[in-house]
Amino acid sequence: GENVEQHPSTLSVQEGDSAVIKCTYSDSASNYFPWYKQELGKRPQLIIDIRSNVGEKKDQRIAVTLNKTAKHFSLHITETQPEDSAVYFCAATSGGGADGLTFGKGTHLIIQP
Amino acid sequence: EAGVAQSPRYKIIEKRQSVAFWCNPISGHATLYWYQQILGQGPKLLIQFQNNGVVDDSQLPKDRFSAERLKGVDSTLKIQPAKLEDSAVYLCASSPTSSGNTIYFGEGSWLTVV
Repeated sequence: GENVEQHPSTLSVQEGDSAVIKCTYSDSASNYFPWYKQELGKRPQLIIDIRSNVGEKKDQRIAVTLNKTAKHFSLHITETQPEDSAVYFCAATSGGGADGLTFGKGTHLIIQP
Repeated sequence: EAGVAQSPRYKIIEKRQSVAFWCNPISGHATLYWYQQILGQGPKLLIQFQNNGVVDDSQLPKDRFSAERLKGVDSTLKIQPAKLEDSAVYLCASSPTSSGNTIYFGEGSWLTVV
């Protein structure tokens, strides 16, 4: 089955700086890669996603890049703000005909004022 | 548009007892998922339904967990008997189809087994 590795587990950046979170996946058949933001005690919420036919996608301060050859994808947040503090999860489709997501272990992003 | 509804939100039970969680997906969503999220970890897929059929239950501990979606809408997840390691948030999610579309999560049902 699919295996998703996510790094770092904790990331602390100064407000206004950029943050980058990286993930690798194992199943070359995976074709959908969403990123979720989860605040303490809340549900995971989709913030951006990318499909395997696209190399990069941007939405305001958030961007995701995908390298299919290397099987890794990254989340980039620019001009970080205090409200960006949360746990971020990357995910990939499990492949094999079913589409349930396999999640990474999460990155706790801390924005220092 | 109403989101994914789950109940109960919080449940505390003793080990070896049973518990059931209910989920109502977003109207019209054919695919329903149950995920288990242990504190400090990412969600883990337990079971996926397409309408009222099971697509993937490979990670469901079938000796103690069961789930059903009889009419292709609501779903229930049952644990019997519960173990301490079942303490987690049980997240229900739904999507319009199973083809890599956006998955929407409910607020979750928090289970503590003591």
